[in-house]
Amino acid sequence: GAVVSQHPSRVICKSGTSVKIECRSLDFQATTMFWYRQFPKQSLMLMATSNEGSKATYEQGVEKDKFLINHASLTLSTLTVTSAHPEDSSFYICSAREEGRGETQYFGPGTRLLVL
Amino acid sequence: RKEVEQDPGPFNVPEGATVAFNCTYSNSASQSFFWYRQDCRKEPKLLMSVYSSGNEDGRFTAQLNRASQYISLLIRDSKLSDSATYLCVVNLLTGGFKTIFGAGTRLFVKA
Repeated sequence: GAVVSQHPSRVICKSGTSVKIECRSLDFQATTMFWYRQFPKQSLMLMATSNEGSKATYEQGVEKDKFLINHASLTLSTLTVTSAHPEDSSFYICSAREEGRGETQYFGPGTRLLVL
Repeated sequence: RKEVEQDPGPFNVPEGATVAFNCTYSNSASQSFFWYRQDCRKEPKLLMSVYSSGNEDGRFTAQLNRASQYISLLIRDSKLSDSATYLCVVNLLTGGFKTIFGAGTRLFVKA
């Protein structure tokens, strides 16, 4: 199956710093990537849809100035958590769809963020 | 009402048991349906797609009832390795592509 990588897998940072998370589709081109957040014992919540070459579409309640998304190429999307606070600590997961390969999403391994 | 609802469980079953999970969705514009499996502290992994005609993959059988907006997953001959959270996932196509995840049903299979 298709492979999606995420980097870093784990990050610990101080409150107020910014953290960048990369999501890459390794063996296919992804015109659309998705960013999710999952708090302990809760479901994945879609944060935003990242479209190659255009602005991301954010879900209601997600601050676009805090969670900056850039989808500069067909294989890379980045999520930057700006001025992170402890309440931003969560499991961030990206996924990607391959155009023309149906609606299956392939998930990255996730990034566990801890803000102290 | 949640868009995708699942019984959170947990389901505690012995090895070899048959267990069934149910899921309901509220948006009739839902287009495609999946079951994903998520292990603790890991990303979700696709288990199988779900069709109205039903589909089977080894010990796993999934079924979709569009009229009732109901999805099911049946696991036969449970293995210890089946212990995980099972996520019911629905794709919508309303003004754009959107995926809705259920909260998941936890399964523990015990020896």
